[in-house]
Amino acid sequence: DVKVTQSSRYLVKRTGEKVFLECVQDMDHENMFWYRQDPGLGLRLIYFSYDVKMKEKGDIPEGYSVSREKKERFSLILESASTNQTSMYLCASHGQGGMNTEAFFGQGTRLTVV
Amino acid sequence: AQKVTQAQTEISVVEKEDVTLDCVYETRDTTYYLFWYKQPPSGELVFLIRRNSFDEQNEISGRYSWNFQKSTSSFNFTITASQVVDSAVYFCALSEVDYKLSFGAGTTVTVRA
Repeated sequence: DVKVTQSSRYLVKRTGEKVFLECVQDMDHENMFWYRQDPGLGLRLIYFSYDVKMKEKGDIPEGYSVSREKKERFSLILESASTNQTSMYLCASHGQGGMNTEAFFGQGTRLTVV
Repeated sequence: AQKVTQAQTEISVVEKEDVTLDCVYETRDTTYYLFWYKQPPSGELVFLIRRNSFDEQNEISGRYSWNFQKSTSSFNFTITASQVVDSAVYFCALSEVDYKLSFGAGTTVTVRA
């Protein structure tokens, strides 16, 4: 059974903290994505990676960075968390065929910044 | 600019009615893929259907069907004879040659018994 696993389901952090959201996939996928989901805005792409150590900015990269040191792991970093980063964060990975295969999603991390 | 637009925010129907979800996309690529995903109340997104840019043949799969029209950049999705279990948020998505996968804002479908 294929799996994308996000390290936490719920997180509460303080303003200014450095926050790490971890995502691991066991499907040997090249492509991995981080989205945030907010009511009325759908899924907005923060960053994606098509290979180890490679990263591309998505539509809303400001305030975030990512790390992909190993193929199976893609980390999202909030350098200094702010209240407007309170959101649901979703990690996804893309199948072996690249753009023509469906993405698999993790269960999401609901982050609250207080 | 929004690459995937889902104009309908919410749709509410009575069980057994058909539901059509609209999706309009924007891309300069000649090769691309379109998807529909479902997000039930449990939260995890589930893949439903896929269509590539070279195949405009419309299909039916069980109670799902889709209408892909390149001329109008639309990829609409229909649930026939809706059921309460179809209640969810539905997302249209576009995958382009640079591997970027973009989603629309989602349409919340509520099916009442």
